[in-house]
Amino acid sequence: EPEVTQTPSHQVTQMGQEVILRCVPISNHLYFYWYRQILGQKVEFLVSFYNNEISEKSEIFDDQFSVERPDGSNFTLKIRSTKLEDSAMYFCASSEELLGGNQPQHFGDGTRLSIL
Amino acid sequence: SQKIEQNSEALNIQEGKTATLTCNYTNYSPAYLQWYRQDPGRGPVFLLLIRENEKEKRKERLKVTFDTTLKQSLFHITASQPADSATYLCALGYYGGATNKLIFGTGTLLAVQP
Repeated sequence: EPEVTQTPSHQVTQMGQEVILRCVPISNHLYFYWYRQILGQKVEFLVSFYNNEISEKSEIFDDQFSVERPDGSNFTLKIRSTKLEDSAMYFCASSEELLGGNQPQHFGDGTRLSIL
Repeated sequence: SQKIEQNSEALNIQEGKTATLTCNYTNYSPAYLQWYRQDPGRGPVFLLLIRENEKEKRKERLKVTFDTTLKQSLFHITASQPADSATYLCALGYYGGATNKLIFGTGTLLAVQP
């Protein structure tokens, strides 16, 4: 069964450094998402992406964050200047054509980001 | 803002029994509701989706109900097995533009004892 893959599985970065988290969504999916989960807390929506542009973003997704689909397969999340509070598990997800507005989302196993 | 509450305590049940997990929400009703399973260190895995005009959905040993009057969804696992032990997340979805963002609850940790 096709799956969403994320790399790296664990990223350790010094505060203030830039980090790029990578995702390969399921190949025929058109909608892409990033969520994050701080340890022991709920999964939180960051951003959704469709047709090569951001369709919605949360308050968490400030100017330090950006997303990109550099080619036909990868989907990346960049944090320009990391802060301690950015430490979390970051999940990428993808879904098929909306058709009525509700589709299951398929999640990767996440990248654990640790900011020192 | 929308608030979602799931069983606050972990749920411990005996193998073979039915597990019932609760998801309550405040404010405006979602267009649909999804249930996911999450194992430690893994991403959420989709289980079931129910729409606002549906009362009940089933898939094998799983059943979900959706009551927009009570603002509640119940998730049932019948004939539970130790392998069902995991955290179960409910997630609310709303129609609106080219997005399908989900708002997650905090999850309920289910432990099925052999």
